[in-house]
Amino acid sequence: RKEVEQDPGPFNVPEGATVAFNCTYSNSASQSFFWYRQDCRKEPKLLMSVYSSGNEDGRFTAQLNRASQYISLLIRDSKLSDSATYLCVVNPSYNFNKFYFGSGTKLNVKP
Amino acid sequence: NAGVTQTPKFQVLKTGQSMTLQCAQDMNHEYMSWYRQDPGMGLRLIHYSVGAGITDQGEVPNGYNVSRSTTEDFPLRLLSAAPSQTSVYFCASSGSEETQYFGPGTRLLVL
Repeated sequence: RKEVEQDPGPFNVPEGATVAFNCTYSNSASQSFFWYRQDCRKEPKLLMSVYSSGNEDGRFTAQLNRASQYISLLIRDSKLSDSATYLCVVNPSYNFNKFYFGSGTKLNVKP
Repeated sequence: NAGVTQTPKFQVLKTGQSMTLQCAQDMNHEYMSWYRQDPGMGLRLIHYSVGAGITDQGEVPNGYNVSRSTTEDFPLRLLSAAPSQTSVYFCASSGSEETQYFGPGTRLLVL
């Protein structure tokens, strides 16, 4: 079983739409969770960390559900510039940085 | 700051050839990792290091060697290249805050 699983999409949405991605992880002891964004043929970059209490950054909201072992990313008022692949990342370790990536969810925002 | 640098950007190898992919970071990060990214597979961890002199295997280590003689450098060696190693390779570093910073990637084609 993969450490982290995501729906690959693509999600095709019009500008202004709200879209949500989910990601599940297999290790119940996982400690840290992140969403990264990757543009075509570029390196991944951190979008936001995911905290137990949930967190919001502008149009982006991330939630963690430890009981069901999933994390989510909600994007409100989608922009054309949000078109990218969104990667779910989990660190199952207590004391060092060893990260597992989901395969990514592709988002296409259309005019 | 240059962040994370990788060389070369592109490389074509013949089956059986060896080569070293270079990675360097100037952020004094303890942790460094190598990933490969294949279509539909997301990023898979090859090897990682938690500090100078300390390395360990990730999900897909076979056919690759690493060493970490300094904090700054973390080269990845392909001992005898195979077509299955055709991929995009990313190096990343992170500190105590767990945000990973990626290099621009190396595109490798093995014929």
